[in-house]
Amino acid sequence: DGGITQSPKYLFRKEGQNVTLSCEQNLNHDAMYWYRQDPGQGLRLIYYSQIVNDFQKGDIAEGYSVSREKKESFPLTVTSAQKNPTAFYLCASSIQLTGFEQYFGPGTRLTVT
Amino acid sequence: GENVEQHPSTLSVQEGDSAVIKCTYSDSASNYFPWYKQELGKRPQLIIDIRSNVGEKKDQRIAVTLNKTAKHFSLHITETQPEDSAVYFCAASITGNQFYFGTGTSLTVIP
Repeated sequence: DGGITQSPKYLFRKEGQNVTLSCEQNLNHDAMYWYRQDPGQGLRLIYYSQIVNDFQKGDIAEGYSVSREKKESFPLTVTSAQKNPTAFYLCASSIQLTGFEQYFGPGTRLTVT
Repeated sequence: GENVEQHPSTLSVQEGDSAVIKCTYSDSASNYFPWYKQELGKRPQLIIDIRSNVGEKKDQRIAVTLNKTAKHFSLHITETQPEDSAVYFCAASITGNQFYFGTGTSLTVIP
């Protein structure tokens, strides 16, 4: 399944709290991505990063923030400004330069009550 | 931005029959089209992909076809087995910068 890890697998938070989801990869991939998946829907892009210290907003970036200080790590913070944060969050990476294949982490299921 | 539509949303087939899932895309600049299989509660896994300079690609029981003129691509699974039951997603991308996903097809293979 590749070297992409996400932690924790399940996360519970109270409304109004910020929460950070971890994503680490040891595949030496250049690009990393964060997606949100809701029941019965496809994957929607939150943020992506092609190189260290640079990232771009996806279609649903509002209420989320990211950082890319190291090539291996791309943490996602779900802020209190995200109106409907309960979802399954998937991190992915791809090598980009020699291929576009995207590989996914196991996901974090976030529940906010 | 790119818009990917996927049909059908659910598909039931008898074991041994073929299954076909279709996707259309809107941006003619898209040049990479992967297909993912996702089992319940698990991560999507890449099963096959195709680039815009190729019309068809096969891998054992799975094949993907691409029609650039019509801007649609399809996944074909032959001799379906119960373990093929899952949700399948298509996606379109321009050189891997952003990926736009379809809404998924839930495939059930009936033994």
